[in-house]
Amino acid sequence: AQTVTQSQPEMSVQEAETVTLSCTYDTSESDYYLFWYKQPPSRQMILVIRQEAYKQQNATENRFSVNFQKAAKSFSLKISDSQLGDAAMYFCAFLTNTGNQFYFGTGTSLTVIP
Amino acid sequence: DTGVSQNPRHKITKRGQNVTFRCDPISEHNRLYWYRQTLGQGPEFLTYFQNEAQLEKSRLLSDRFSAERPKGSFSTLEIQRTEQGDSAMYLCASSSSPHTYEQYFGPGTRLTVT
Repeated sequence: AQTVTQSQPEMSVQEAETVTLSCTYDTSESDYYLFWYKQPPSRQMILVIRQEAYKQQNATENRFSVNFQKAAKSFSLKISDSQLGDAAMYFCAFLTNTGNQFYFGTGTSLTVIP
Repeated sequence: DTGVSQNPRHKITKRGQNVTFRCDPISEHNRLYWYRQTLGQGPEFLTYFQNEAQLEKSRLLSDRFSAERPKGSFSTLEIQRTEQGDSAMYLCASSSSPHTYEQYFGPGTRLTVT
């Protein structure tokens, strides 16, 4: 079975600063995908970034980047130059290469302080 | 394309009543997924369809729950004899083969059972 753990229920960051959200996972699979999703209050989940496990290079999307440590089963999200619109619940998620269901962590609520 | 839509957005019902939710996926997406999200938790997989076939069901999907996708387009999720523990956000997502990792989520239906 796959499990995803987010140990930071809440985080805060000053506007324009950098924040890192942590995620660890457990799996016996060798090929899989990892994701960070953003869920603003009362709004739908939006994909922030995706990492394929077979890729050694860390994924980046504009101000968002990940630190993927496969051996340690760690997948953290770094948000640079934080903006007020980044305030949301962030979920780390796992998907096996052949599977269809996401496994989500419990989420980290990010507050951006003006 | 306006994305995945779900109706209603909110539903309040009394314990013991039946409720039905609808999900309209992104057009031409042949895969459709249902998740349940309770307060303070990440979404949990319930079931998924490829076209009209329901191919996978979670053990969370008790016999009071039934999902259909009769023509391979929209889907319905029905809960019979609702219980207070059914109170949650019900999320729908869709994707197209073979990119099952690209699941697009709808805004969800929030169910409150009183």
